[in-house]
Amino acid sequence: DTGVSQDPRHKITKRGQNVTFRCDPISEHNRLYWYRQTLGQGPEFLTYFQNEAQLEKSRLLSDRFSAERPKGSFSTLEIQRTEQGDSAMYLCASSLTGGETQYFGPGTRLLVL
Amino acid sequence: GQSLEQPSEVTAVEGAIVQINCTYQTSGFYGLSWYQQHDGGAPTFLSYNALDGLEETGRFSSFLSRSDSYGYLLLQELQMKDSASYFCAWAGSWGKLQFGAGTQVVVTP
Repeated sequence: DTGVSQDPRHKITKRGQNVTFRCDPISEHNRLYWYRQTLGQGPEFLTYFQNEAQLEKSRLLSDRFSAERPKGSFSTLEIQRTEQGDSAMYLCASSLTGGETQYFGPGTRLLVL
Repeated sequence: GQSLEQPSEVTAVEGAIVQINCTYQTSGFYGLSWYQQHDGGAPTFLSYNALDGLEETGRFSSFLSRSDSYGYLLLQELQMKDSASYFCAWAGSWGKLQFGAGTQVVVTP
């Protein structure tokens, strides 16, 4: 296994468009997390899955954001009606139960024009 | 709420020792994690302290004092490749991480 992968690595979109990102975790990991990181800041928690169940969403996650993890494998994060403030790096991480050690993917860098 | 404080930048020469302090205010604390992130790269796990005391992993060590709400990461025998951002992160009950703003470590020859 080569680790956590994310696709695409870069996305440029116009304000108001919808975008979808994909994350493929390490195969035996049952926990999957999404974070958002802006320049000069640490990653901010967005949401978390245990297998296919989404167990917590941050208040940062407005109703324009939705995440899924069908069948407990890969996950998608969709942003509807993008705004310039959504420009950030979106990071996915996975872990075994316990979550103390999280393995991050390379991220998807989003730029909203 | 939860907050973590760490210095914004530390500069040191190759071969030196650097200590990055992290103080936190939070409830439901389970442990303190440390992650390294190179420019343009993903955060990578360095260490996790659930109990008070020192954890050593090669050139890196991490310390936690729950009574003082304080921890630190110690980088020894600094190398140029250690130039990166280092984040302390509060770990919640199921692994949710709350990150500090990060400390930029600059290693000079």
